[in-house]
Amino acid sequence: SQTIHQWPATLVQPVGSPLSLECTVEGTSNPNLYWYRQAAGRGLQLLFYSVGIGQISSEVPQNLSASRPQDRQFILSSKKLLLSDSGFYLCAWSVGQGATDTQYFGPGTRLTVL
Amino acid sequence: QQQVKQSPQSLIVQKGGISIINCAYENTAFDYFPWYQQFPGKGPALLIAIRPDVSEKKEGRFTISFNKSAKQFSLHIMDSQPGDSATYFCAATYFGNEKLTFGTGTRLTIIP
Repeated sequence: SQTIHQWPATLVQPVGSPLSLECTVEGTSNPNLYWYRQAAGRGLQLLFYSVGIGQISSEVPQNLSASRPQDRQFILSSKKLLLSDSGFYLCAWSVGQGATDTQYFGPGTRLTVL
Repeated sequence: QQQVKQSPQSLIVQKGGISIINCAYENTAFDYFPWYQQFPGKGPALLIAIRPDVSEKKEGRFTISFNKSAKQFSLHIMDSQPGDSATYFCAATYFGNEKLTFGTGTRLTIIP
């Protein structure tokens, strides 16, 4: 069966510090991968998505970046965190032609920037 | 045109009652409308989905009603239970699109 892992589960970082969040998927090949951010009490904001290794599409450039070094690994990074980067970061995967296939979400990383 | 508008933002329903959440869209290319359920501290999970070739889809106590001409769809939860308390997101996309457009979410609370 397929599983998705995200770590860390929670993170508290000072403003200006770097960030690296990791997401890995098991049990499937060539998944579509997504990074979302959910601010407190808000909806889901798509940050990045990837349909293959090295293929990253950005929805919200800002100060975040994403990389996909391996087929089932998706990394979200920042060189310098802002207060506004606080939120609940969710990784998701799907297989198939695109978003009409079910997206399976990971457990999330709660990031607090102080 | 890519937006999906969801209402209400929050909803309180008594146990056993019917919970109704509404969504509206602009993009007539959308042809797939899923609903996701999210419990506190967890990632969302697909609850039920509909394509516009039918006006209604039912799975247990959950029903999606779809009105293509009005570009609206809604989630009905019959016999609402405390375990249904969660945030619900509607979404929309079309075949070949890699992205889901999510609504802003509805926090549903079922009270005894």
